[in-house]
Amino acid sequence: NAGVMQNPRHLVRRRGQEARLRCSPVKGHSHVYWYRQLPEEGLKFMVYLQKENIIDESGMPKERFSAEFPKEGPSILRIQQVVRGDSAAYFCASSLGRGQNQPQHFGDGTRLSIL
Amino acid sequence: GNSVTQMEGPVTLSEEAFLTINCTYTATGYPSLFWYVQYPGEGLQLLLKATKADDKGSNKGFEATYRKETTSFHLEKGSVQVSDSAVYFCARGSGGGADGLTFGKGTHLIIQP
Repeated sequence: NAGVMQNPRHLVRRRGQEARLRCSPVKGHSHVYWYRQLPEEGLKFMVYLQKENIIDESGMPKERFSAEFPKEGPSILRIQQVVRGDSAAYFCASSLGRGQNQPQHFGDGTRLSIL
Repeated sequence: GNSVTQMEGPVTLSEEAFLTINCTYTATGYPSLFWYVQYPGEGLQLLLKATKADDKGSNKGFEATYRKETTSFHLEKGSVQVSDSAVYFCARGSGGGADGLTFGKGTHLIIQP
């Protein structure tokens, strides 16, 4: 029973490059959430997706960031033209259903470092 | 907006000591409340949850009671072990609005043998 799988675990990019973070949810889960964790901070919600749809992107920066969850394949968080401030741990979570009482299962995160 | 405040760390205790980590939340809506634990280099694991006032969540010797009157959800354990060393996050659900969780900043717990 695989949990949420994120890759890569560590990603290094230079300023101006693109970063693509992947997340495969728990098998059977169709709800995916992305969070960002800055050093010494808690996780901040970025975006919530169901298959092929963005449901809530209220926590996502308006520029350079995008997310998708295609019918087939993993969810992707894409950051274009990365800057130093994008350095953080990015966590993906999935749930079986929608609503605050549905437990969210977290992956081990992708640690993004911008040189 | 929604927010969660938890005690600053690090908290350092000796093995078998009693643990309390304080957590308070903003009282908007009817949120579910959660404690997550994060071990070094790993993601968050759900430790326990409570969905309504006066509910008590419990797991692995940890407990937390949903106190609506004080908007609190303090984490307690009667006798901690070295293996409990980790970062603990208190979180609230949306209370009926958006679907993302709102987390506190985390409390780093260090248990010394």
